[in-house]
Amino acid sequence: AQRVTQPEKLLSVFKGAPVELKCNYSYSGSPELFWYVQYSRQRLQLLLRHISRESIKGFTADLNKGETSFHLKKPFAQEEDSAMYYCALRSKGGSNYKLTFGKGTLLTVNP
Amino acid sequence: EAQVTQNPRYLITVTGKKLTVTCSQNMNHEYMSWYRQDPGLGLRQIYYSMNVEVTDKGDVPEGYKVSRKEKRNFPLILESPSPNQTSLYFCASSITSDGVNSPLHFGNGTRLTVT
Repeated sequence: AQRVTQPEKLLSVFKGAPVELKCNYSYSGSPELFWYVQYSRQRLQLLLRHISRESIKGFTADLNKGETSFHLKKPFAQEEDSAMYYCALRSKGGSNYKLTFGKGTLLTVNP
Repeated sequence: EAQVTQNPRYLITVTGKKLTVTCSQNMNHEYMSWYRQDPGLGLRQIYYSMNVEVTDKGDVPEGYKVSRKEKRNFPLILESPSPNQTSLYFCASSITSDGVNSPLHFGNGTRLTVT
């Protein structure tokens, strides 16, 4: 069965500091990985996906199949980055391409 | 505006009183799904639907029902709610259930309290 692990429930950094939100996964197939973000009182939004190799709001994430990781990084955190971040893996079980979410990391960027 | 709309946003009810949370999307998406979000547990899939009249159980389906009579609507039904169903519920949809260009679009959430 697939599993997504986000080891940090809470992460607090100062504005301008680098930030890394960790995500590890276990899945026997070829993974498709995403980061979703949930700002206070808002819906979950897709932040980025590994297949696109894009940088969104200064965030990047690289899939490391050897370490089974998909850590989210930003070199200089901003206060507006404070949010809950979820790593998610899309797997196929029968006909259901299900998203399995990690338990989330609450990022707080202090002024 | 393309969106997933859930109603109500907040609901307080009593044990055993049937309720329905509605979900509607205007993007002609085939795939729809319900998740519940609980502290320390993240998001867990309740039910999903590949297309009209096609639904199946997710990880935590007990105590829930769904229907997909039309493409745009995917209501979540609690026939006899219990306090352990107190949670934040999210409906989500995507173009199809497969492919790399099908990220999930989420609704605003419904916070349900069962007393």
